[in-house]
Amino acid sequence: GQNIDQPTEMTATEGAIVQINCTYQTSGFNGLFWYQQHAGEAPTFLSYNVLDGLEEKGRFSSFLSRSKGYSYLLLKELQMKDSASYLCAPMDSNYQLIWGAGTKLIIKP
Amino acid sequence: GAVVSQHPSWVICKSGTSVKIECRSLDFQATTMFWYRQFPKQSLMLMATSNEGSKATYEQGVEKDKFLINHASLTLSTLTVTSAHPEDSSFYICSARAGREGIHEQYFGPGTRLTVT
Repeated sequence: GQNIDQPTEMTATEGAIVQINCTYQTSGFNGLFWYQQHAGEAPTFLSYNVLDGLEEKGRFSSFLSRSKGYSYLLLKELQMKDSASYLCAPMDSNYQLIWGAGTKLIIKP
Repeated sequence: GAVVSQHPSWVICKSGTSVKIECRSLDFQATTMFWYRQFPKQSLMLMATSNEGSKATYEQGVEKDKFLINHASLTLSTLTVTSAHPEDSSFYICSARAGREGIHEQYFGPGTRLTVT
């Protein structure tokens, strides 16, 4: 079956760095997306990895290891507005995104 | 770029009535649009996938006669919740994917919060 594993909740301090891990199992693989979702709002696109390695985009970076079925999202210089849920969504062989419940990130001053 | 709009943002309707939700890609052509539903503190649940000009593909357990989807053009898809009941109250979100080769990102609309009384 298809499965995603992320921590349910994480807490970090403003200005710090946090890494959100994701392991996945899918039927085929066509890349992995990270989305941010604030409470009561729709998800917004953060990153897309299809090859192994680190993709850096400003304060956010995303890493992928296809052989390990593993990805992480790294958030630097945390700001209060980064408090949100972060969704790891691999894409299966049919180009469908597989969604888990995401990781709720709480930023404290 | 890659803006998707949804209308309305929120709607309250009486049980037994129908509600139509529109999803538009504003600055790109979306050959594929997706309709999701999300209950509080739960993950996104894909309801159906629609390709322009063809019938939608519904996920298992989603009633196609209750949730009517029309993808009439490359920039517009509609979801009609027919004979709505209180258990249909949820956050409905559409997303759109451009038809260009190698482009797989889904861009989400802002969502529609439906409350059925």
